[in-house]
Amino acid sequence: EPEVTQTPSHQVTQMGQEVILRCVPISNHLYFYWYRQILGQKVEFLVSFYNNEISEKSEIFDDQFSVERPDGSNFTLKIRSTKLEDSAMYFCASRNRGRRQETQYFGPGTRLLVL
Amino acid sequence: DQQVKQNSPSLSVQEGRISILNCDYTNSMFDYFLWYKKYPAEGPTFLISISSIKDKNEDGRFTVFLNKSAKHLSLHIVPSQPGDSAVYFCAASAITGGGADGLTFGKGTHLIIQP
Repeated sequence: EPEVTQTPSHQVTQMGQEVILRCVPISNHLYFYWYRQILGQKVEFLVSFYNNEISEKSEIFDDQFSVERPDGSNFTLKIRSTKLEDSAMYFCASRNRGRRQETQYFGPGTRLLVL
Repeated sequence: DQQVKQNSPSLSVQEGRISILNCDYTNSMFDYFLWYKKYPAEGPTFLISISSIKDKNEDGRFTVFLNKSAKHLSLHIVPSQPGDSAVYFCAASAITGGGADGLTFGKGTHLIIQP
């Protein structure tokens, strides 16, 4: 069964450093998402991406965040200058087709720790 | 601002019995609801969904009920099995006019199935 994959599984970085989190969505999916879950809190939507542009973003997704689909398979989240509060589990998700009411499938996540 | 609320942080159920997980929402624009299951250090796994045009959807041991007037949905698992022990998240999607909307999650309910 096709799966969303994410790399790395864990990343430790120093405050102020740039990080890039990588995702390979399910191959025939058209919509891509990033979510995060700070330890002990709920999963929060960051951004959605379709047709090579951002469709929607939350207020969490400020100027230090960016997303890109550099090729036909990868979908990346870049955090330009990490802060301590960026420490969280980051999940990538994807869904198929054009109807909004299609299931989003999640990857296993990248645990980011900012020191 | 909790638009999706899961008021029970945890629930303990005897193996073989029915597990009922509840979710309330406040945003009238939500029209698609999903339940995800999550094990520690893994991404959310899709379980079952329901559109607002329905009041019940069933898939094997899992049934989701939607009461639109009460803005309430519930997930029934019967019979409960040890492998069902996990955190269950209720999530919702809203009509915003865009084609790629992020999900709004509840805080989750930790279901513990006791042998």
